[in-house]
Amino acid sequence: DTGVSQDPRHKITKRGQNVTFRCDPISEHNRLYWYRQTLGQGPEFLTYFQNEAQLEKSRLLSDRFSAERPKGSFSTLEIQRTEQGDSAMYLCASSLEVVGRKFFGPGTRLTVL
Amino acid sequence: GIQVEQSPPDLILQEGANSTLRCNFSDSVNNLQWFHQNPWGQLINLFYIPSGTKQNGRLSATTVATERYSLLYISSSQTTDSGVYFCAVESQGGSEKLVFGKGTKLTVNP
Repeated sequence: DTGVSQDPRHKITKRGQNVTFRCDPISEHNRLYWYRQTLGQGPEFLTYFQNEAQLEKSRLLSDRFSAERPKGSFSTLEIQRTEQGDSAMYLCASSLEVVGRKFFGPGTRLTVL
Repeated sequence: GIQVEQSPPDLILQEGANSTLRCNFSDSVNNLQWFHQNPWGQLINLFYIPSGTKQNGRLSATTVATERYSLLYISSSQTTDSGVYFCAVESQGGSEKLVFGKGTKLTVNP
């Protein structure tokens, strides 16, 4: 059990650029979640996958955001045409069971200039 | 959706003091977790405690599901306990997502 990993840990980009983040869940965890956390707030749910299937998307996930989990293992979160309001910590989590403990990765901190 | 309220929002302690953090939630839950977020942003699992009482070293937690609250106890606090503590819940019959409170920011001074 190597834990949930995320890459990159930090990303600085200019407004209007596209960015992509990667999350590798704990092996054999079939559920994978994306959250966003802004300064001084708790994490907010964005979307989640059961294996390859994306089962729920938050209204926070605008059309500029897309998430994939093509082989049911790692996942990517892409933000197109970034805006300054996208600056946040993007957290990934995984779990094994429908109702069970969720484990979080170290996060990717995005800064949009 | 379910609401999660944490109190106090800020807490300052001297090293060695004890503290109690509270989490109230507005609906029945089938998952409740306490996390410690370190200065680098990592969310560290403390407890998975939808009901009952658990202890881990200087930390313990109690969830009274019927009354919709959970408490996190920190005894003999250390400077390394500083950070933000989050309570997160998953409502019964709801989707598989954790809903977080706004956190309690704990500062332990030497």
